[in-house]
Amino acid sequence: RKEVEQDPGPFNVPEGATVAFNCTYSNSASQSFFWYRQDCRKEPKLLMSVYSSGNEDGRFTAQLNRASQYISLLIRDSKLSDSATYLCVVRASGGSYIPTFGRGTSLIVHP
Amino acid sequence: NAGVTQTPKFRVLKTGQSMTLLCAQDMNHEYMYWYRQDPGMGLRLIHYSVGEGTTAKGEVPDGYNVSRLKKQNFLLGLESAAPSQTSVYFCASKLWGQGARGTGELFFGEGSRLTVL
Repeated sequence: RKEVEQDPGPFNVPEGATVAFNCTYSNSASQSFFWYRQDCRKEPKLLMSVYSSGNEDGRFTAQLNRASQYISLLIRDSKLSDSATYLCVVRASGGSYIPTFGRGTSLIVHP
Repeated sequence: NAGVTQTPKFRVLKTGQSMTLLCAQDMNHEYMYWYRQDPGMGLRLIHYSVGEGTTAKGEVPDGYNVSRLKKQNFLLGLESAAPSQTSVYFCASKLWGQGARGTGELFFGEGSRLTVL
């Protein structure tokens, strides 16, 4: 079982829709969680960190469920510019800082 | 701000040739990483470094070597390129600790697209 798993999609949604992605992780000792965004043929960039209490940044909401070992990303009022691949990133506790990336979930927002 | 710079951005090699990818960061970051990204596979860690003079293997290190002689540079070498090493290579760096945003954010270069024929 891969350490970090995501549904690759693509998720094809109309503008204005609400869409949610989940990501599961296998290491219960994981400590840090992130969502990165990657546009086509570009480098990944941090979208937001995921905190235990959940956090929101504008139209984006991230949640962490430690008991079930998954994190989620909710995007409200989707924009065309939200079309991208969303990468789930998890880091285990202790030792060197080694983030593990999921394979990414592709989102396509259409007019 | 240059951030993380990778050179070259594109390269075509023949099987058996060697080459070196250079990653340079101007943010005084301690951590540096080399990832490869293949369709449907996501980012896989090749090697990483936690500081000048130190390197360690990641998930897919075979066929690659690295060096970090200076804090700002992390070199990835292919001694004898194989078609299986055709990929997009990303370098990333990170500050020790959580950084100014308190996120532990990784900063990536723009990628190096390598084709091995």
